[in-house]
Amino acid sequence: QKEVEQNSGPLSVPEGAIASLNCTYSDRGSQSFFWYRQYSGKSPELIMFIYSNGDKEDGRFTAQLNKASQYVSLLIRDSQPSDSATYLCAVGRGGGYNKLIFGAGTRLAVHP
Amino acid sequence: EAGVVQSPRYKIIEKKQPVAFWCNPISGHNTLYWYLQNLGQGPELLIRYENEEAVDDSQLPKDRFSAERLKGVDSTLKIQPAELGDSAVYLCASSAGTSGHNEQFFGPGTRLTVL
Repeated sequence: QKEVEQNSGPLSVPEGAIASLNCTYSDRGSQSFFWYRQYSGKSPELIMFIYSNGDKEDGRFTAQLNKASQYVSLLIRDSQPSDSATYLCAVGRGGGYNKLIFGAGTRLAVHP
Repeated sequence: EAGVVQSPRYKIIEKKQPVAFWCNPISGHNTLYWYLQNLGQGPELLIRYENEEAVDDSQLPKDRFSAERLKGVDSTLKIQPAELGDSAVYLCASSAGTSGHNEQFFGPGTRLTVL
């Protein structure tokens, strides 16, 4: 079992729709959770982080965390073609050192 | 503010040859990370530096990989000799600290092809 699992996709959504990206993790001691966006041939860039159970909203993005289910998700509202990228879920183990374990990423394709 | 700088951006070498990658982190960031990213995978940590000290190199294949961060700023990652399986993107990242609240900023990466 991988430590951080994501569906590789591609997830195809029409422009203007809500894209839902999911991630599960195996380490119950994980304390911090990150979503990175990576365009093809580019480096990862942080979109959002979440530490507490519940929802966290930032513009068109909402991160959701459920530690009991070991599940974190990213919702993208009003999806745009420019959102087409690979979305990487990363989990931090805490303990004073934020070593990130990355999932393999979900490729999102937003079509006009 | 300048981001993380890496060079070269691309490198093609024959197997068994040595290769080196250079990274300059964001000014003031004392924590530096080297990651390896294979196609279709997420980044995997190779080594982390706190200033000039390597504090987590458990994932670094020490038989052929080495790294240094002299003076706690720039860092170099070396492979000698390179193998076909080393073909990947090598990412450098930096952060202002190591707690869960410190964002890691990634450089553009070096794409290595070993022939």
